[in-house]
Amino acid sequence: GENVEQHPSTLSVQEGDSAVIKCTYSDSASNYFPWYKQELGKRPQLIIDIRSNVGEKKDQRIAVTLNKTAKHFSLHITETQPEDSAVYFCAAFTNTGNQFYFGTGTSLTVIP
Amino acid sequence: DSGVTQTPKHLITATGQRVTLRCSPRSGDLSVYWYQQSLDQGLQFLIQYYNGEERAKGNILERFSAQQFPDLHSELNLSSLELGDSALYFCASSVGGRGWETQYFGPGTRLLVL
Repeated sequence: GENVEQHPSTLSVQEGDSAVIKCTYSDSASNYFPWYKQELGKRPQLIIDIRSNVGEKKDQRIAVTLNKTAKHFSLHITETQPEDSAVYFCAAFTNTGNQFYFGTGTSLTVIP
Repeated sequence: DSGVTQTPKHLITATGQRVTLRCSPRSGDLSVYWYQQSLDQGLQFLIQYYNGEERAKGNILERFSAQQFPDLHSELNLSSLELGDSALYFCASSVGGRGWETQYFGPGTRLLVL
């Protein structure tokens, strides 16, 4: 089955700096890659997603890049703010069984 | 507020018992997904229903079952509960049945098995 690995598990940045979180996947049938933000005690919220036919997608301070050949995708947050502090999960959807697989999460702390 | 509701919010029960978690999707959404989030296993996809039919099955134990009713609400039944079943259970909904559609998560049900 699919295996999604996420790095780093924890990340601390100064306010205003950029943060990058990386995920790799193994199943070449994976074609959809969402990123979720989860604040403590709350539900995961979709922040950005990318389909396999696109290499990059941006939404204001957030961007996601996808390298299908290398089977990895990354989340980029620029000009970080304290409210960006949360756990971020990457996920991969594979047509093999129509399943979602999640990374283990990255706890991001933005230091004011 | 995502528009997805889950009840109950918290559930405390004993090993060996059976519980039912309920999820109401957003108005107009036909798909319901169930996820388990635990400290050691992370976020795991359990099962998806689309318009009353099972669409995809993930790491769902045989002791667990789900269904989606004609009014599109869904229930996740957990039986013969074990300590390791303690977790946060989320449901999510989307408009259609394709995996690449945006999913909206409910607030979750926190299950504690003692």
